[in-house]
Amino acid sequence: SAVISQKPSRDICQRGTSLTIQCQVDSQVTMMFWYRQQPGQSLTLIATANQGSEATYESGFVIDKFPISRPNLTFSTLTVSNMSPEDSSIYLCSVEDRRGEGYTFGSGTRLTVV
Amino acid sequence: GQNIDQPTEMTATEGAIVQINCTYQTSGFNGLFWYQQHAGEAPTFLSYNVLDGLEEKGRFSSFLSRSKGYSYLLLKELQMKDSASYLCAVGTDDKIIFGKGTRLHILP
Repeated sequence: SAVISQKPSRDICQRGTSLTIQCQVDSQVTMMFWYRQQPGQSLTLIATANQGSEATYESGFVIDKFPISRPNLTFSTLTVSNMSPEDSSIYLCSVEDRRGEGYTFGSGTRLTVV
Repeated sequence: GQNIDQPTEMTATEGAIVQINCTYQTSGFNGLFWYQQHAGEAPTFLSYNVLDGLEEKGRFSSFLSRSKGYSYLLLKELQMKDSASYLCAVGTDDKIIFGKGTRLHILP
C-alpha cells in the first residue's frame, strides 16, 4: 500500500495563528483527502484535493479557514487558519490504495490550540 | 442523507468472539470498509466488501448485505492488542464516509 509521510506529528499553537500540515506520498495519486478527528469522535472529511484544480470542500468547511495546496501528484498541504481552541483536533491525510487495500492514512497531526 | 450507525462501545473477553454491527444509508455505494484505530494512532485498513457475503482474513471476517444496508466485523480469538476503536466506512462516488466508531474493550 501507499506510504504517507505526514508532518508535523503534533503542535501546540497560539490562538489566531495558522499551521500548515504537509503530506508526502511515495507514489502518484489523483486524489488526496483531508480529515479531522475531534477528541472521541470519528473522522470527518474536510476536503478532497485534486492536482491542478481547486479542492472540493465538504459542508461546514471553507477555503478561507482550511486552504489546501496540491502542487503535484505526490504532495499536499492543509493550513488551519486563524486558529481557535475549537480547532484542537487530529488532522489526517489519506489516499486511495490502488491495490484495493482501502484508503491509507498518514500518521496524523495532533493540534492543540491554546 | 448519509448515515452510518454502529454501537459506541463493546466489551469482550480475551479468547472469545465478538461481532461489531454496522448499518448504513448512503447516496451511492462503492463498498464498505472496516478500519482499526488504536488510541493516538491513525486508522489502519482491515477489510473491504463490495459484494454480498463473508470475507475472511485470519482472525477477522467481514460480512456485507447490500440489500439490508448491513455489515458486521467478526473478531475471533480475541487478544488484548485488539482493544481499539473499529470504524465502519462506506465508499460513495467520490469519497468515503466514516461511522463514529465502536470502542472495543478486551477483558483478561
